[in-house]
Amino acid sequence: GAVVSQHPSRVICKSGTSVKIECRSLDFQATTMFWYRQFPKQSLMLMATSNEGSKATYEQGVEKDKFLINHASLTLSTLTVTSAHPEDSSFYICSANLKGGAGQANTGELFFGEGSRLTVL
Amino acid sequence: AQSVTQPDIHITVSEGASLELRCNYSYGATPYLFWYVQSPGQGLQLLLKYFSGDTLVQGIKGFEAEFKRSQSSFNLRKPSVHWSDAAEYFCAVGARGSGDKLTFGTGTRLAVRP
Repeated sequence: GAVVSQHPSRVICKSGTSVKIECRSLDFQATTMFWYRQFPKQSLMLMATSNEGSKATYEQGVEKDKFLINHASLTLSTLTVTSAHPEDSSFYICSANLKGGAGQANTGELFFGEGSRLTVL
Repeated sequence: AQSVTQPDIHITVSEGASLELRCNYSYGATPYLFWYVQSPGQGLQLLLKYFSGDTLVQGIKGFEAEFKRSQSSFNLRKPSVHWSDAAEYFCAVGARGSGDKLTFGTGTRLAVRP
């Protein structure tokens, strides 16, 4: 099956610093990736849709200057949490859509990364 | 906009017992429906999905789910639970033409009694 990898899996940083999280599709190309945030014991909330070669589309209430998304290639999207604060501590998960290609899954199937746990001190 | 309700926050079953996790959705047309499983500190793994056709779908690890349009439900079932099934289960709905954005339910945490 398709593999999506996130790095780092865990990161601890000081308040005020910026943190970058990478999301890679390892064996397929993803023109679209999605970034979710998950608070402890809660569901996943979609933050933004990352589009290769263009600006990300943010969900209502998500600060685009706070959460910078770059989708520079068909296999890599990055989420940068700028000037992080303790309230940004969370589990961030990316997903990518697998489309097309011989033997590939149907449109609409998302594959998720392992998640990145951010702790801001 | 679509929404998903998972009425049960926690469920505990004995190993070997049957399992049913409830999921109700709200959407104006036929949605895409998914069940994902998440182990602690991990990402999500797709168990099964419904796009169209047969309303009873089979997934991995012995799970199945049935789409019931009249009840707006997509309940997940397993005839015999194994201890390794203990995890968080999320139901999700995707709107056709929305670009694959999913809306997730709040999740059901499954504990398995030895």
